[in-house]
Amino acid sequence: AQKVTQAQTEISVVEKEDVTLDCVYETRDTTYYLFWYKQPPSGELVFLIRRNSFDEQNEISGRYSWNFQKSTSSFNFTITASQVVDSAVYFCALSEANFNKFYFGSGTKLNVKP
Amino acid sequence: EAQVTQNPRYLITVTGKKLTVTCSQNMNHEYMSWYRQDPGLGLRQIYYSMNVEVTDKGDVPEGYKVSRKEKRNFPLILESPSPNQTSLYFCASRDSLLMNTEAFFGQGTRLTVV
Repeated sequence: AQKVTQAQTEISVVEKEDVTLDCVYETRDTTYYLFWYKQPPSGELVFLIRRNSFDEQNEISGRYSWNFQKSTSSFNFTITASQVVDSAVYFCALSEANFNKFYFGSGTKLNVKP
Repeated sequence: EAQVTQNPRYLITVTGKKLTVTCSQNMNHEYMSWYRQDPGLGLRQIYYSMNVEVTDKGDVPEGYKVSRKEKRNFPLILESPSPNQTSLYFCASRDSLLMNTEAFFGQGTRLTVV
């Protein structure tokens, strides 16, 4: 079974719209870590945020916000007032307590049109 | 500057010709790993290493070899590349003493096997 599911393959929005990228994870560990990475067209992977399983506080960083809900095993990412520079593929990832593996979702491609 | 360096960035090779993709990190991280990224599949782990001389298989190890003779280097070896190994490859390192840290990724190596 997939550990991390990003059901949205591709999303297109117009600049200034808000957009939410969904991430659902699966783990039996009580201690685990969740991450979001951005992959712009240039191809590198840019770290955005990490969250551990004991910290359910939502986080806001500028136009970015993250909603972590253990009850639904979700770690969703919202971009407010999207910009063209937000166009990228976004990956959600899970690291379990044994630390050995990093499980990535299949990614969501976000297209922000001017 | 803290970084993970992969070389080469781009490589076109022929089936069966052995090749090595190098990876080096300057953060003194114990943990290093290799991933391949394919459309619709996200990133999948090939091999990982918890420390020098300690390596283990990830989810898709077939056709690949690795070695970890020094802490900073973790080369990926394709003894006899085949077209199904055409992919985008990423090396990553992580501080294994700090469980909640993110993985730092190299710039990626785009490999084409013809």
